[in-house]
Amino acid sequence: DQQVKQNSPSLSVQEGRISILNCDYTNSMFDYFLWYKKYPAEGPTFLISISSIKDKNEDGRFTVFLNKSAKHLSLHIVPSQPGDSAVYFCAARSSWGAAGNKLTFGGGTRVLVKP
Amino acid sequence: GAGVSQSPSNKVTEKGKDVELRCDPISGHTALYWYRQSLGQGLEFLIYFQGNSAPDKSGLPSDRFSAERTGGSVSTLTIQRTQQEDSAVYLCASSLRLAGEADTQYFGPGTRLTVL
Repeated sequence: DQQVKQNSPSLSVQEGRISILNCDYTNSMFDYFLWYKKYPAEGPTFLISISSIKDKNEDGRFTVFLNKSAKHLSLHIVPSQPGDSAVYFCAARSSWGAAGNKLTFGGGTRVLVKP
Repeated sequence: GAGVSQSPSNKVTEKGKDVELRCDPISGHTALYWYRQSLGQGLEFLIYFQGNSAPDKSGLPSDRFSAERTGGSVSTLTIQRTQQEDSAVYLCASSLRLAGEADTQYFGPGTRLTVL
């Protein structure tokens, strides 16, 4: 049972345009969400996070939106740059008990930014 | 500053052999995690260490997998009698795990394990 899902395995976007990556979750105990970026042969790199008490968090070109009622979050990258081409993972965790020890990851979305 | 390091970066082994994977966390990080990523999949939690507490082993897929963390720093993940389905990238992460604060895990580059 996949608790975190990224339904789009890939996304292609023109340089300068907006990239929108989506993530859905099923576990209502999740209260902290993160996005990681991964280049080939490297470990995931933390990008941005959001707590469930917020609905938006912005950091430079990256904005994460959280819709708790829909159990949905999205990552917006504006403007997209060729260096943004990577696999993006959505992750979630719960602060409650032992469940807070681990991140639950989605399957990833491969983003290709065309020059 | 130094990030999380892992060794070896690549490991090829024969089915049935034992392997050890090493992780050096960021200095001062009390929490250490192991995940694995199988081909085309997301990351799967394996085990978590926090200070001197008993580790959370809930993600280990079988009793062939074990891990230890010596002196609250370096960790070793051991896979005994490897099987082909163990082939994956094994990723280590560490975090400050401060009480009451949001916890961000920082990942190492991973060890790519191939079991022939």
